[in-house]
This record gives sequence, structure tokens and C-alpha cells, in this order.
Amino acid sequence: EDQVTQSPEALRLQEGESSSLNCSYTVSGLRGLFWYRQDPGKGPEFLFTLYSAGEEKEKERLKATLTKKESFLHITAPKPEDSATYLCAVQAVDYGQNFVFGPGTRLSVLP
Amino acid sequence: DGGITQSPKYLFRKEGQNVTLSCEQNLNHDAMYWYRQDPGQGLRLIYYSQIVNDFQKGDIAEGYSVSREKKESFPLTVTSAQKNPTAFYLCASSRAGNQETQYFGPGTRLLVL
Repeated sequence: EDQVTQSPEALRLQEGESSSLNCSYTVSGLRGLFWYRQDPGKGPEFLFTLYSAGEEKEKERLKATLTKKESFLHITAPKPEDSATYLCAVQAVDYGQNFVFGPGTRLSVLP
Repeated sequence: DGGITQSPKYLFRKEGQNVTLSCEQNLNHDAMYWYRQDPGQGLRLIYYSQIVNDFQKGDIAEGYSVSREKKESFPLTVTSAQKNPTAFYLCASSRAGNQETQYFGPGTRLLVL
């Protein structure tokens, strides 16, 4: 059973069209949930860490939220430069310091 | 400028050949990690090291080997036993302890000739 899933697999938006990406997890003993942005052919770039349900973090057009079973990455009025793959990863008691990554959501923002 | 470097950016492997991917960090991080990324899949952990001269197998260690002789360096060798080595390889590092963020290098793409 997949412990970390992301939806949708791919998302195409028009510039300015707000939307949300989902990261669902089934691990117990969550220590942290991490969001990364990855451009094609590059390493993931860290965006946010969320530690407990109800927590929110914001950076420019991005806002990450966390519940007990999932996290959302909200993108407000996206621009073409927001096009990338967004990865989430969880760290949980069962895995020590290691992360379990979701497969990612590929976001395309059209001008 | 602190960061993680990986070299080479592209690497070609011939049949039966071992190849080594370099990973260096100057962030003074104790922990280092190697991941493999295939299209449509999440990053999968190959090996990790929490401290110099110690390392542990991850989920897909077969066909790979590592060493951790210096805090700054964590090279990965893809051996001839790895039958499907074509992938994007990512190195990461973090401070020791729980809830620490992992920071990634730019990656090495390995292709088989």
C-alpha cells in the first residue's frame, strides 16, 4: 500500500487560475511533511515544512496546509514560472530520519 | 556559497562497468542520502549515512555501494550487478536529528550505452 500519494498526477492551469495540489499520507507518527519544487533535469528545491495538523506556511503565491491525513499546496494566481513538478515527502516515527516521497504533481501554467 | 554539488551531470555506463557518482557538500551536515528517481515514481532511497564511516542500506540498495570516509563526501558506485541503472540520481544532506530538512544536489543522469 502506498504510504504517500499525490493528486492530481498532472494539472494544467491558465495563468491566474488558482488551484490546489493534494498530498495524502497513511503513515502514523508523523514528524514532518515537506514540500519541494523540482524543475526538469534539476534537483528538488525545498519549499516548506509542516509539523502538526492546522499548521500553515506561505511563500509568495504558494500556501501549504496540513491536516491529520493530508496536506494541500494552494497556488494563488499562478504564473508560467510556477510550472514544475511539486513533490511532497513525509518523515515518520517508523522511518527514523528518512523520508518517504510521493510521486509528484506535474503543474503546467499556460500564459 | 554553501551547497551540494554532484558530478558529472551526465554519465554513460558500458555493459559490465562500474561507475562512481560524486556528491560533495559544504553545509557541515552530518547526514547524507542517495536517491534514485524514475519517471512517474517518487524518489527511492538507495543508501544513507548519519555519520562518517557509517552507512545504511535504503529500500533499493542492491547493485549499489557507497563509502563515507569524510563528512563532506558520499560517493555512490553503480556496480555491474545493477541491471537497470538508467535513472536520475540525487544526493541530499541534512543536519542530524529528526524533523530536519533534506537539501538536494543538482543530480546526475546515468545512461547505459
